[in-house]
Amino acid sequence: NAGVTQTPKFQVLKTGQSMTLQCAQDMNHEYMSWYRQDPGMGLRLIHYSVGAGITDQGEVPNGYNVSRSTTEDFPLRLLSAAPSQTSVYFCASSYSLQGESPLHFGNGTRLTVT
Amino acid sequence: GEDVEQSLFLSVREGDSSVINCTYTDSSSTYLYWYKQEPGAGLQLLTYIFSNMDMKQDQRLTVLLNKKDKHLSLRIADTQTGDSAIYFCAESMGGGFKTIFGAGTRLFVKA
Repeated sequence: NAGVTQTPKFQVLKTGQSMTLQCAQDMNHEYMSWYRQDPGMGLRLIHYSVGAGITDQGEVPNGYNVSRSTTEDFPLRLLSAAPSQTSVYFCASSYSLQGESPLHFGNGTRLTVT
Repeated sequence: GEDVEQSLFLSVREGDSSVINCTYTDSSSTYLYWYKQEPGAGLQLLTYIFSNMDMKQDQRLTVLLNKKDKHLSLRIADTQTGDSAIYFCAESMGGGFKTIFGAGTRLFVKA
């Protein structure tokens, strides 16, 4: 059981480049989300999805796009990378929108924008 | 808006108890969680408490919730060097939906 898989693990971009961070889960989870982790700021929610075909913005959505064409996949796109997007990105999913169902995290993608 | 606050560092000696504190602002939160993050890895759930509970014990872990003061704490008994990690407090209305995290407390355990 792979859980939540994120690729790549590391990425270096130049300012203005675009890229897609991949996230896949094999647990048939309904809810998927993207967070960024910055020192002293914890995890901040970028975008989330409550099911295939449904996405919404979190706390810090600017500069990022998402789509959810299948239950399993939830890619995060950086449209034009900026140094302020240097961060560690985590994808997380949960079985349900109700109850104690916790988040399951991938191992993260460390992104550096120069 | 919602906010979760916790101190950034805690240092304890091996064998002592660790207490990590957290305050939150959203009184409608239904579930409060503690997650652990080890170096180079994602977060893993340690334990959670439902908002109508005061205390939950799970082996070496004790969670205390003071809903009036919106204060949550995690006590780790007999702290070991393997407990060195970052501990995140988090709140949610249900499931993982829009879970809000604190900044994380880095626990150092001295041998």
